[in-house]
Amino acid sequence: QVQLQESGPGLVKPSETLSLTCTVSGDSISNYYWSWIRQPPGKGLEWIGYIHYSGDTNYNPSLKSRVTILVDTSKNQFSLKLTSVTAADTAVYYCARDRDGYNRLDQWGQGTLVTVSS
Amino acid sequence: SSELTQPPSVSVSPGQTASITCSGDKLGDKFACWYQQKPGQSPVLVIYQDTKRPSGIPERFSGSNSGNTATLTISGTQTMDEADYFCQAWHSGTGGVFGGGTKLTVL
Repeated sequence: QVQLQESGPGLVKPSETLSLTCTVSGDSISNYYWSWIRQPPGKGLEWIGYIHYSGDTNYNPSLKSRVTILVDTSKNQFSLKLTSVTAADTAVYYCARDRDGYNRLDQWGQGTLVTVSS
Repeated sequence: SSELTQPPSVSVSPGQTASITCSGDKLGDKFACWYQQKPGQSPVLVIYQDTKRPSGIPERFSGSNSGNTATLTISGTQTMDEADYFCQAWHSGTGGVFGGGTKLTVL
């Protein structure tokens, strides 16, 4: 049974960097693609980007200048960094497994709320 | 345009058929997925590659995609199906795009 668990600070100050880690259990991160998605409170879903274990990445163009996704195969983890955050970045952040690199997101973490506030 | 448009809400009586649409430019040329999200929970994939159901998803969930519209159909809708539903498609150049979501009410 694949499980994904997000971890990281729940509060980030404006202009600082949001950093989250997703730990994968029950599957090797050297399979498939691994994605980050976010959902502002009461709103819809927004795809942030994905990484393949090879290091290949693909980012949402609207966030590309601020986003970095990295993978650590030794820890079976992947991570998200979002720079220069504002209140608009306040959201529940989900990590998910992408079966085919085309957003077939078949396993999701429980999500973690990140609030941007001073 | 890579936008996907869904109706904000759909209502259905228990046992009836619910249809939720997702519209986008030449959407039928892409693969569509559908996700179900219940309050306080993570989304769950219910349809992928237009018509396929992941293991564990009931047969009453089905999908289609043609022209500019993808449709999620729930036959014999149950109260447990009440949730938000999001369509999603992959657009070259922009990546994953989600629709705005549809709140399905079963009453």
